[in-house]
Amino acid sequence: DVKVTQSSRYLVKRTGEKVFLECVQDMDHENMFWYRQDPGLGLRLIYFSYDVKMKEKGDIPEGYSVSREKKERFSLILESASTNQTSMYLCASSLTGHTEAFFGQGTRLTVV
Amino acid sequence: RKEVEQDPGPFNVPEGATVAFNCTYSNSASQSFFWYRQDCRKEPKLLMSVYSSGNEDGRFTAQLNRASQYISLLIRDSKLSDSATYLCAVNNGNAGNMLTFGGGTRLMVKP
Repeated sequence: DVKVTQSSRYLVKRTGEKVFLECVQDMDHENMFWYRQDPGLGLRLIYFSYDVKMKEKGDIPEGYSVSREKKERFSLILESASTNQTSMYLCASSLTGHTEAFFGQGTRLTVV
Repeated sequence: RKEVEQDPGPFNVPEGATVAFNCTYSNSASQSFFWYRQDCRKEPKLLMSVYSSGNEDGRFTAQLNRASQYISLLIRDSKLSDSATYLCAVNNGNAGNMLTFGGGTRLMVKP
């Protein structure tokens, strides 16, 4: 079974802090994704990566950056957390561009 | 216009009913299509992939209509346990193959 693991289930950070969300997959998948999910807005893509050190902006990249130094790990970075980044963050991976994505359990981030 | 759109619902149906959801997509180059199920406060999980010829898995049937650019999900003989949010996902067909999700359709099956 594919396993996608996010480092934290719940996180509380202060405004202005730098926040790292980590995601690891164990199936040698090429693609990895970071989404945020908010009530009424659905799943919105922040960034995705199709290979090590490669990244593409999604629909809402502002205020975020990502890092993929190893194939199995994809990190989402909030450079200076703000209250409007309070959300559920979901990491996903897929083998190729044409196969289904598998999700981690999600990180519920609260910025106070 | 959003790339992938769904009726948010909720669809309230009695047990045993048949219910259908549609999902429209705007990019005609899209190549891969999926239905996911998401329970409250959980991550989305793949329900089924959608093939050009359509596919069926027990009580669930998925169809693709390329001409009208939508996919559908039909659930027969609804169970209480089918209550969830159903998300469609569409590969954008461009280099890199981003996976874009619809906003989800909420289904509530009542006794």
